[in-house]
This record gives sequence, structure tokens and C-alpha cells, in this order.
Amino acid sequence: EAGVTQFPSHSVIEKGQTVTLRCDPISGHDNLYWYRRVMGKEIKFLLHFVKESKQDESGMPNNRFLAERTGGTYSTLKVQPAELEDSGVYFCASSPRDGTGELFFGEGSRLTVL
Amino acid sequence: AQSVTQLGSHVSVSEGALVLLRCNYSSSVPPYLFWYVQYPNQGLQLLLKYTSAATLVKGINGFEAEFKKSETSFHLTKPSAHMSDAAEYFCAVSVRGYSTLTFGKGTMLLVSP
Repeated sequence: EAGVTQFPSHSVIEKGQTVTLRCDPISGHDNLYWYRRVMGKEIKFLLHFVKESKQDESGMPNNRFLAERTGGTYSTLKVQPAELEDSGVYFCASSPRDGTGELFFGEGSRLTVL
Repeated sequence: AQSVTQLGSHVSVSEGALVLLRCNYSSSVPPYLFWYVQYPNQGLQLLLKYTSAATLVKGINGFEAEFKKSETSFHLTKPSAHMSDAAEYFCAVSVRGYSTLTFGKGTMLLVSP
């Protein structure tokens, strides 16, 4: 069974540009999460989808971030326009609807904004 | 709201020595507790989890953790460190019924020969 996959693994962009990160969860997992780790800081929650609906987006930093999960399958996280402080590693995770709380993480997408 | 404190951003041990990584949590309701590990250039991998069954939890690669409610702790231990244990370790908490995790800042484990 394939795990959570994220693309790209690393993206380098200039301030003001747009970047779109993609996450493919484990097949059949209703829950999908985005987390972010800024260098030297803890991993912080961004948002949570249940199927295609946003269950909790309290961690989204501002309106430059837009997350979608079309059809309840893969998800995208767009940053537009990117700022220097957006640099970090963006992790995606998924879990089944009736899981025990364990999240299955992807390898992360490293974003560097210059 | 819940929170996690991991004492020590870096822990150094010699190969064969005891590994002890500390984690204290704060939660207003009974928690689920997790330890994740991140090896270089890899994603987060679950080591073990506490979900209200036995307080001593055994995980992969010889690691275990004990849930101590009175101390609000969930420290991670391994009797004998191996070079391959060098990685960053994260303690995390969630609330029963909700699956969003709150992470600690992580502890980098360094293992020397």
C-alpha cells in the first residue's frame, strides 16, 4: 500500500511568487492534515480536511494560504504571494475515519523563499 | 487546549548507553500520546502511542514509553542506543475524539561510537 506522497520535495522561489504543494493521502483515508515546521520551531498544525470539507483551518497563518481537497482525494496548498517567513517544511498527513489517532505522514515539501 | 514540552533540544549518548528523551504534556482531558521519529531526509514515522490501554507502551526498534498521569509525563526510553537511532524525536498529544496533533519542539538524538 502506498504511503502519503508529497510533491515537490523541495521548491525554491522568490518572494512574491506563487507555489502550490500537493499531497496524495493513503487511499481511503478521509482525514487529511497539513502541518508546517519553520526552522528551529515546532511542527504546527495548519488545517484538517474530512473528505473534501475543511474541518478545522484555525492554524492557517493568513489569507495568502489556500488549501483545497477536490473530490476528497488529493489536496493542494497554495501560497500566494510567498513571503520570506513562509520558508519551512510542509508536512501532509492522513488518517482513516475511525482511526486511533495515529497520523501517517509524508516526507514533507521543503519550501525556500528567497 | 493541550501542549507538549520536550526537555532538551539535543541529547547525546554513546552507543550501548541508555536513551532517555523527556516529554511532559498538558491536557484538560484524557490525552492520546505519541512519539514520532524523523530520520534524515525522511518523513515522520510513528514509534509508539498511548491510547488509554496499558501505561507502559512498547514501540518499534526497542523503544518504550511510560504514561504517568501524576507526573503528566510520557518519557521515551531505550536500554541500549544504536548508531541507527540517531534522528529527531517528537512527542505529540491529541485529545480523544479529535485527531489533530500538537507537537513538542523535537529532540535531536546524537549517538557516538
